[in-house]
Amino acid sequence: AQSVTQPDIHITVSEGASLELRCNYSYGATPYLFWYVQSPGQGLQLLLKYFSGDTLVQGIKGFEAEFKRSQSSFNLRKPSVHWSDAAEYFCAVGPERYNFNKFYFGSGTKLNVKP
Amino acid sequence: DVKVTQSSRYLVKRTGEKVFLECVQDMDHENMFWYRQDPGLGLRLIYFSYDVKMKEKGDIPEGYSVSREKKERFSLILESASTNQTSMYLCASSLGGTGVHEQYFGPGTRLTVT
Repeated sequence: AQSVTQPDIHITVSEGASLELRCNYSYGATPYLFWYVQSPGQGLQLLLKYFSGDTLVQGIKGFEAEFKRSQSSFNLRKPSVHWSDAAEYFCAVGPERYNFNKFYFGSGTKLNVKP
Repeated sequence: DVKVTQSSRYLVKRTGEKVFLECVQDMDHENMFWYRQDPGLGLRLIYFSYDVKMKEKGDIPEGYSVSREKKERFSLILESASTNQTSMYLCASSLGGTGVHEQYFGPGTRLTVT
């Protein structure tokens, strides 16, 4: 069965430090992968997506993610975190085998940024 | 820009009440979704619709129903609200067809059932 695991529930980093958020997935074929961000009180905004091609994907707000098929991972990175990056981050994989509309979301990682 | 709006940001209802959550998108998307978001559980799909009057159950449809009478509007209905339906509800939309498309989310409705 398809699933997504985000092992870190909470992460705290200092402003200016680098960031890596982990995402592991279980999927029977080549996955479509997404990272979304949710600021407090807001809906989810797409940061980046991987469908095919170059395994290093650039997104908005200076984020990037790397698809590693051998490790079933799609980790999100940012070289220098800003206080405004404090939010919750969700990894998603899709589609379900018989349903192009269905994605699976991880349980989220909350990022705190220390001044 | 795609815009997905939800009728209420915060809602407080009593146990047993019938509750309507409304969602409207302005990008002519074929697909619309209702998710429930709970701490530690991520997003769980309640229902989705791939066309007007068409719907499919997601992972947790029990206690919910939906209505899609117009392409731009997708309603989630709690027939008889219960306290275990206290949650954040997120609506999303996407293009349809056989390809995989990103989903665009609304700001969410935080529902409290007392």
